[in-house]
Amino acid sequence: QQQVKQSPQSLIVQKGGISIINCAYENTAFDYFPWYQQFPGKGPALLIAIRPDVSEKKEGRFTISFNKSAKQFSLHIMDSQPGDSATYFCAASRLDYGQNFVFGPGTRLSVLP
Amino acid sequence: DAGVTQSPTHLIKTRGQHVTLRCSPISGHKSVSWYQQVLGQGPQFIFQYYEKEERGRGNFPDRFSARQFPNYSSELNVNALLLGDSALYLCASNQGLMDTQYFGPGTRLTVL
Repeated sequence: QQQVKQSPQSLIVQKGGISIINCAYENTAFDYFPWYQQFPGKGPALLIAIRPDVSEKKEGRFTISFNKSAKQFSLHIMDSQPGDSATYFCAASRLDYGQNFVFGPGTRLSVLP
Repeated sequence: DAGVTQSPTHLIKTRGQHVTLRCSPISGHKSVSWYQQVLGQGPQFIFQYYEKEERGRGNFPDRFSARQFPNYSSELNVNALLLGDSALYLCASNQGLMDTQYFGPGTRLTVL
């Protein structure tokens, strides 16, 4: 029940295209869903996060879509750029537990020039 | 402002040894969390400390322990190292328990 599933495992997109990464969770007590970006040799960096009281959140080229009933959420990267090439992790937590994240296994995104 | 800092950057140990990893949170942050990231996988939660008290513990054996000091820095200790402990150990800090969590660059531990 603590697991967060993520797909695809890897993704190749042309420059300017849309990258879509999907996640699913089981624990309905989760109430905070961030996406992290990680470059090789670096720690994860917060990209964007959403609470379950909204269905969509957009920040620049990054959008989270959230479907509470299906217990799924996704990251959309519009106008993907080669600099977006990284590993992306979705995560989930209970804020009253202090954000002890359960991370998905990650998606390696490659954006071709 | 300096971000979360971790030391050392890299570490090589042999099986059975003990290791101590250190983390300094962002100034003003009172919570520190530790994660283990095995190559090719997502980070796994180990511990969280807030105001020097343990607030959460993941599914790791008792060989793993941690503490937080009065200046909010933290140490992660691992005893009796196993080959499977080889991983990137990440420290993250947040100001309060419900605030955004920021990760450090990690310490790469290799156990031979």
